[in-house]
Amino acid sequence: SQKIEQNSEALNIQEGKTATLTCNYTNYSPAYLQWYRQDPGRGPVFLLLIRENEKEKRKERLKVTFDTTLKQSLFHITASQPADSATYLCALDGSNYGGSQGNLIFGKGTKLSVKP
Amino acid sequence: GAGVSQSPRYKVAKRGQDVALRCDPISGHVSLFWYQQALGQGPEFLTYFQNEAQLDKSGLPSDRFFAERPEGSVSTLKIQRTQQEDSAVYLCASSLGGQGDEKLFFGSGTQLSVL
Repeated sequence: SQKIEQNSEALNIQEGKTATLTCNYTNYSPAYLQWYRQDPGRGPVFLLLIRENEKEKRKERLKVTFDTTLKQSLFHITASQPADSATYLCALDGSNYGGSQGNLIFGKGTKLSVKP
Repeated sequence: GAGVSQSPRYKVAKRGQDVALRCDPISGHVSLFWYQQALGQGPEFLTYFQNEAQLDKSGLPSDRFFAERPEGSVSTLKIQRTQQEDSAVYLCASSLGGQGDEKLFFGSGTQLSVL
């Protein structure tokens, strides 16, 4: 069956360092992958989308990579700040597995804490 | 409106009661989704509308769950005869068109507690 794993439930880093979050998947061939940020008591907020034919995408301090051979995406936040503390979710295109367009399959998320 | 609006924000129901959760998507958004998020988990897909048509309801966990979007804008998720395992946050999301790779705009969710 399909499976998505985000490397850890929690990640603690020092302000100014680069945070690296991992999303691994098995038994999928997603056409795209998205990353979302979720704060307590709020819905997820879209950050970045990367397609299967793209190796890397950047937006300000954020960078996402997508390796379809390794079946892995890495999400980086450079020069991290306490305000970056949140849960980060990866989401895969589920349409290849009988789902409809826009049917995203989410990982459990990684809770990032950036200490000052 | 400026964003996706969901109501009520919190709902407490006794086991066996029926509940109705409302979602107001961003004006003009064609696609609307419902997700269920248990504590400590990622959102899980429930159902998808394109305008008023329910194109995918494969994620609805049982026939006690029913969703509608009669005029292609506001949507209601109804849960009949609620059970304790229905306790979760119910998230609504919308996107501009019917393309599969569009970003979703989520509401803040309705937290349902079944006692």
